[in-house]
Amino acid sequence: AQTVTQSQPEMSVQEAETVTLSCTYDTSESDYYLFWYKQPPSRQMILVIRQEAYKQQNATENRFSVNFQKAAKSFSLKISDSQLGDAAMYFCAYSGEYGNKLVFGAGTILRVKS
Amino acid sequence: DTGVSQNPRHKITKRGQNVTFRCDPISEHNRLYWYRQTLGQGPEFLTYFQNEAQLEKSRLLSDRFSAERPKGSFSTLEIQRTEQGDSAMYLCASSLGAGGRDQETQYFGPGTRLLVL
Repeated sequence: AQTVTQSQPEMSVQEAETVTLSCTYDTSESDYYLFWYKQPPSRQMILVIRQEAYKQQNATENRFSVNFQKAAKSFSLKISDSQLGDAAMYFCAYSGEYGNKLVFGAGTILRVKS
Repeated sequence: DTGVSQNPRHKITKRGQNVTFRCDPISEHNRLYWYRQTLGQGPEFLTYFQNEAQLEKSRLLSDRFSAERPKGSFSTLEIQRTEQGDSAMYLCASSLGAGGRDQETQYFGPGTRLLVL
């Protein structure tokens, strides 16, 4: 069974600075998808960024980028120029080749200090 | 595109009562998923549908839980004889599910928060 591990329960960053959230996963599949979702307090979960395992190039979405290391089964999220609105719980998630269920990590709470 | 909607948003019930939640996916999304999230944890998969067919059920889905998607559009999740351990946020998500590598992003609804007293 696939597992996702987020080893940082909580992170803090100063506004305008850069922060990296860690995620590792375990799978025997060769093709899969990885995601970072953001869940603000009492608000719904939204997709931040996705990565297809067959793509070697790291995904980027504006201030958000990932460092995907397939051999190491590592998938970290970098947030540049952090903003107060980035404060939320961030979940790393895995989906198999056929895009079925998501397997989530336990989450990392990100606090942004002004 | 109105996004995934869920009703009710909040439900308080007494132990032993039955509850039913509804999820309306993004229109034309073929796949619909149910997850359960307890406080401070990541969501856990419960079940998913491809159109009206229920293709996978987690062992978390005990006999007291049943989900349907009768016409391949909205879905309902029913919990019978609720227990205090059922208290959680129940999330619904949908994806296009039309095949192809770019079709599998899941979009989440706001969730239904259940409290069993």
